[in-house]
Amino acid sequence: RKEVEQDPGPFNVPEGATVAFNCTYSNSASQSFFWYRQDCRKEPKLLMSVYSSGNEDGRFTAQLNRASQYISLLIRDSKLSDSATYLCVVNMNTGFQKLVFGTGTRLLVSP
Amino acid sequence: EADIYQTPRYLVIGTGKKITLECSQTMGHDKMYWYQQDPGMELHLIHYSYGVNSTEKGDLSSESTVSRIRTEHFPLTLESARPSHTSQYLCASSVTVNTEAFFGQGTRLTVV
Repeated sequence: RKEVEQDPGPFNVPEGATVAFNCTYSNSASQSFFWYRQDCRKEPKLLMSVYSSGNEDGRFTAQLNRASQYISLLIRDSKLSDSATYLCVVNMNTGFQKLVFGTGTRLLVSP
Repeated sequence: EADIYQTPRYLVIGTGKKITLECSQTMGHDKMYWYQQDPGMELHLIHYSYGVNSTEKGDLSSESTVSRIRTEHFPLTLESARPSHTSQYLCASSVTVNTEAFFGQGTRLTVV
């Protein structure tokens, strides 16, 4: 089983739609969770951190479910500019600590 | 904007050449990382460092080597480049392993 798993997509949605991505992680001791956005041929950039209580930043909402070991990202009112790959990132505490990136979920927002 | 810089941005080089990819950050971060990413594929951790004189290999086996003589500098070296090394190399840094990582813009390497 991969340490961090995401549905690669692509998710094709029209402008204005609401879309949600899930990400599961294997290490129950993980403490830090993030969503990154990566545009084609660019470096990943932090979209938001994920807190235990859940957090919201404008049209984006992130949630953590420790019991089921998954995090989610909800995007409301999708814009064309939201088209990108969304990477789930989890810190792993197995032997040495490191940040593990999921394979990413590709989102395509169409007019 | 993150203060982490990679040079060169693009490099085309012949087989057998020695190359060094530079990565510098001005944020005083102890943790630094090198990732390799092929187009449309996932990121693979190839090297990381917890601080000066600390370097470890990552999950993906790589023929490259790294050094960490100064906090702000984490160069990656390929002694003899091969076409199989063609890829994008991304450098990142973080305050701790529990905080977010900031990425440089990457070096797109092509070995011909």
